[in-house]
Amino acid sequence: EVQLVQSRGEVKKPGESLKISCKGSGDNFSNLWIGWVRQRPGKGLEWMGIIYLGDSSTRYSPSFHGQVTITADKSISTAYLQWNSLKASDSAMYYCASPGPYYFYGMDVWGQGTTVTVS
Amino acid sequence: QSVLTQPPSASGTPGQTVIISCSGSTASIGANTVHWYQQLPGAAPRLLIFNNNQRPSGVPDRFSGSKAGTSASLAISGLQSEDEADYYCAAWDDSLNGQGVFGGGTKLTVL
Repeated sequence: EVQLVQSRGEVKKPGESLKISCKGSGDNFSNLWIGWVRQRPGKGLEWMGIIYLGDSSTRYSPSFHGQVTITADKSISTAYLQWNSLKASDSAMYYCASPGPYYFYGMDVWGQGTTVTVS
Repeated sequence: QSVLTQPPSASGTPGQTVIISCSGSTASIGANTVHWYQQLPGAAPRLLIFNNNQRPSGVPDRFSGSKAGTSASLAISGLQSEDEADYYCAAWDDSLNGQGVFGGGTKLTVL
């Protein structure tokens, strides 16, 4: 069974860079897709993008394309979400989640979430 | 504005059946399967229904999903107080090189 453990919460200043992580455990992790989901305080879920651990193929929501970068290192079963220059509006909870081997499946495994505060 | 449209709120009394709707397009729900998530206060979302009407193990059969055309719905029968949560529909959208999309979420109140 796959489990996802995310890096701890971060407090950053506007303009700073940040990279948060999502480490997986379990069998066949390299055959999985890992997605990132944003949830601003009191708001709904927003699909940001997704990466295939096997070959690092990525798909981005147009809303987030160019604003963040999703990468992965399959040798350590870890996916990353990165910002080059944070804005106050990036303050949110960020979840990683996996739909398994197919990107269009439901996300049945979720990380615990990483809180990002930009102030 | 979300690509998938849900009512912002729904309510029911214990034991009742509540239905939450989710409206999309030919590129999203019309072309792909629909999934539903439950988010309890302060918790990460949990997959409730996948591929329109399938329940992951551990999800009570009080929860059921259906899809017709470009719309989908989640039904919760025998409503219980612990069902009070936010519910989100989701699907893949084939437009713009493909992306996942969520509904805006429906806050369910058990009266």
